[in-house]
Amino acid sequence: AQSVTQLGSHVSVSEGALVLLRCNYSSSVPPYLFWYVQYPNQGLQLLLKYTSAATLVKGINGFEAEFKKSETSFHLTKPSAHMSDAAEYFCAVSAPFSGGYNKLIFGAGTRLAVHP
Amino acid sequence: GAVVSQHPSRVICKSGTSVKIECRSLDFQATTMFWYRQFPKQSLMLMATSNEGSKATYEQGVEKDKFLINHASLTLSTLTVTSAHPEDSSFYICSAAPGARSTDTQYFGPGTRLTVL
Repeated sequence: AQSVTQLGSHVSVSEGALVLLRCNYSSSVPPYLFWYVQYPNQGLQLLLKYTSAATLVKGINGFEAEFKKSETSFHLTKPSAHMSDAAEYFCAVSAPFSGGYNKLIFGAGTRLAVHP
Repeated sequence: GAVVSQHPSRVICKSGTSVKIECRSLDFQATTMFWYRQFPKQSLMLMATSNEGSKATYEQGVEKDKFLINHASLTLSTLTVTSAHPEDSSFYICSAAPGARSTDTQYFGPGTRLTVL
């Protein structure tokens, strides 16, 4: 079975500082991994995804994530935080589904706060 | 980019009534659509998966007779909460995918906040 663990429900950084949001996964098969961002009262927007190509994945808004099989991790980073990055971030793994459909398993989420 | 809309964005209803939420993929055909429920400050929980023209597949613990899902076309899925009660109050989010592969990106709608009085 697949699962996702996001370490740290809240992360606070200063504007301009490095952003690091942690995600570890468990999967019995090669996983596909996703990072989504959610702004208040909105749906989710895809930041980036890993689908077994390059292990370093670049996404939108300056975010990137590195797939490390040995560590079963897919941490999200951004070199310099902006105030507009304040949001909820979800890591997800795509799981084979008995019906043949893809299915996302989400982590609990990490709320990122950016202060001046 | 792929756009998914939901309607309504907010709905308030009385206990015992039914509420229908629409999810539309605006610029692509969605082979598969998903319905999620999100409680305050929590993650998304998948409720059901639907393919156009076939019955929805519900997750364990989700009452199929209470949460009716219809995927009438490749661009429209509806979720009907029947005989709603206050405990059904939640943020409901749909997503749509152009295919059924694990690598296919799900595009999410903006969500519908349901409040049952």
